[in-house]
This record gives sequence, C-alpha cells and structure tokens, in this order.
Amino acid sequence: DAKTTQPPSMDCAEGRAANLPCNHSTISGNEYVYWYRQIHSQGPQYIIHGLKNNETNEMASLIITEDRKSSTLILPHATLRDTAVYYCIVRPPSDGNQFYFGTGTSLTVIP
Amino acid sequence: KAGVTQTPRYLIKTRGQQVTLSCSPISGHRSVSWYQQTPGQGLQFLFEYFSETQRNKGNFPGRFSGRQFSNSRSEMNVSTLELGDSALYLCASRRTSGGLYNEQFFGPGTRLTVL
Repeated sequence: DAKTTQPPSMDCAEGRAANLPCNHSTISGNEYVYWYRQIHSQGPQYIIHGLKNNETNEMASLIITEDRKSSTLILPHATLRDTAVYYCIVRPPSDGNQFYFGTGTSLTVIP
Repeated sequence: KAGVTQTPRYLIKTRGQQVTLSCSPISGHRSVSWYQQTPGQGLQFLFEYFSETQRNKGNFPGRFSGRQFSNSRSEMNVSTLELGDSALYLCASRRTSGGLYNEQFFGPGTRLTVL
C-alpha cells in the first residue's frame, strides 16, 4: 500500500468546517483514497472514498488534487460528535479487505 | 439491520492461556476480517476470511489463527498468550471480498487483557 502522511492532531471550532489533509505522494494509478474515523473505544467507521474525482456524501467531502498526491477530507459543519481519529488509507480495490490504517489525525472539535 | 457483533466484549486471561473470540457479521456479508489495535502499533490487519477460506494474512505469528463457518460467522484464536497480546480485537464484515469497493463495517471489538 502507498504510504500516507497525516498531521497527528488538529482542532476545529464547533460549527466550522474541518479540513483534514493527507499526503500520499507515492500513490499508484489504481489505488483509491479511503477515509475512516474511529470514535473513542468504538470500531472504525467508513466515511468516504474516491479515485480521482471529488466526492461528496452525507458525512463529508473528499477533495483529491489533480496529481493525486494529496487529498483533503472536509467535514462541512463539525460537531462535538465528530471528535475522533481520522484515518486516510490508500489501496487498490482488489486487495480484499486488508486495510493499513496508519496513525491517523486526532481531531478535537472545540465548543 | 443488526450490525457486526463480537463476543465477549471484555476478557481477562493470564500468560500461556489461549483465547477464542467470536464475530457475527452483518446478515448477507461473506467477508470477515480481524484487526488488532494497541496503543503502540495502532490498527493492524490480522487476517481475512471469505467463504470459509483465509484470503489474506497480516504479519502475525502462527499463535494467531482463525476460521470461518458456513454461516459466515468467524472465530479467532490466540494460543500461548503473551502480555503483548493485550489489545482491542476488532472484526469487520463486508459483503464481498475484492473487486469494486463495498463498505466494511466494524464491530465494537473485544478488549483482551493478558495478565
């Protein structure tokens, strides 16, 4: 799997947009970018994934740069419940269910 | 529909013992994966089972094993427990394995403490 780099921690004010960056400069052409989050003491939760186009769902938006070497997860209106560790994962879809989670970014939403 | 269930939720064992953890995937899901999470190593992939066959295996010693039954339920076993095996063990289920992505769902985990 391509290695990803994320800041270890970030703060965000409640109600503001949280922008979580991820660097994946060695990504291969067939590898997707996935985002998961893990709220304390719970199992990880899928957020969103994409290949090269920007993606949006009810939880978040994913912006992937044109060269695909980095991406940003955007939580448009962060709430206290969004406080969690966010993992950016890069992998090909053919890799079964083997995900390498890395260390992630610990996001704290501040009231 | 019901989510992924794991039993037991908490377990305390002593060194040298063995332990079996159970995971029931979401109905209709045939792929079950296991992960170990520790403060030092983070979330690490153990193995994946699909249609009762091990499909992928992470870099763990042979003391860690698993199996999947015909109803897709899965068990993992750790023999000769070591202190370092203390961790949160997470199970994830997915409808299929490989191919275009389909979302995987994680269970709440089993917290294993080895004394």
